[in-house]
Amino acid sequence: QVQLQESGPGLVKPSETLSLTCTVSGGSISSRSYFWTWIRQPAGKGLEWIGRIYTGETTNYNPSLESRVTISADTSKNQFSLKLISVTAADTAIYYCARAISASAFDFWGRGTLVTVSS
Amino acid sequence: QSVLTQPPSASGAPGQRVTISCSGSSINIGHNYVCWYQQLPGTAPKLLIHTNDQRPSGVPDRFSGSKSGTSASLAISGLRYEDEAEYFCAAWDDSLKGVFGGGTKLTVL
Repeated sequence: QVQLQESGPGLVKPSETLSLTCTVSGGSISSRSYFWTWIRQPAGKGLEWIGRIYTGETTNYNPSLESRVTISADTSKNQFSLKLISVTAADTAIYYCARAISASAFDFWGRGTLVTVSS
Repeated sequence: QSVLTQPPSASGAPGQRVTISCSGSSINIGHNYVCWYQQLPGTAPKLLIHTNDQRPSGVPDRFSGSKSGTSASLAISGLRYEDEAEYFCAAWDDSLKGVFGGGTKLTVL
C-alpha cells in the first residue's frame, strides 16, 4: 500500500519561503508510471494544482505559480519537495502531496499539512 | 475562481439518485479525461472516478461518471447518509496544468 506523508513548518512569515517534503513509502518516485504532485486547498475552498515531478526529474508547474515554485526530488530518500518563495497570506492553505496515475487522477494522497503565512 | 464550474450544492433523500455537473471548455474537459473526488470533512480527497467513467477498486457501483463534449457528470444512486461530503471534478488543461471544479457540497436530507 502506497503511503505519502507531508512534513514541514506549519507557520511561515510573509515574504519568506515555504518548504515542504513528501515522504513516499510502498512505491518508488523514480517509477515511470506515476506523477508526484503537490495540491493545495485554502480553508473552506477548492483545490489548486501546484505542480508535479516525473521520474524524479521532469517538472510541470501551474502557470499562475510558476515564477515562485520549485518541485524537486531526492530519489535516495524516496522524497519529493515543494518550495514556494515570497509567500503572502494568500498562500495559507492545506498542502497535499499525491500520486497521479494519469494527468488528473490522484489515487493516493497524504493527510495534508496546514501552512499558515503570518508574521 | 475555479476553471471548471460545479453547482455549489446538491441534495437528495436516502435512496434517491443525485447528479452533479461539471462544466469546462475545449482545452480541458473537451480534450482530456475527467476525474471525480469525494472529500469528507477534515480528510484528503478520495478518487471516485477516473478516465471519465472508470471506478477504482473498492468504489461502489452506486457511483458513476459520464462525459459529453465539454461537460461531465457524477451520478450517485441509492443515496446514503455516508455520501454526505464535498465532490470535486478534475481534468488536465492544455495550458499544462491540472484544474479542478470549485466543489459541490452534497447534503443527504
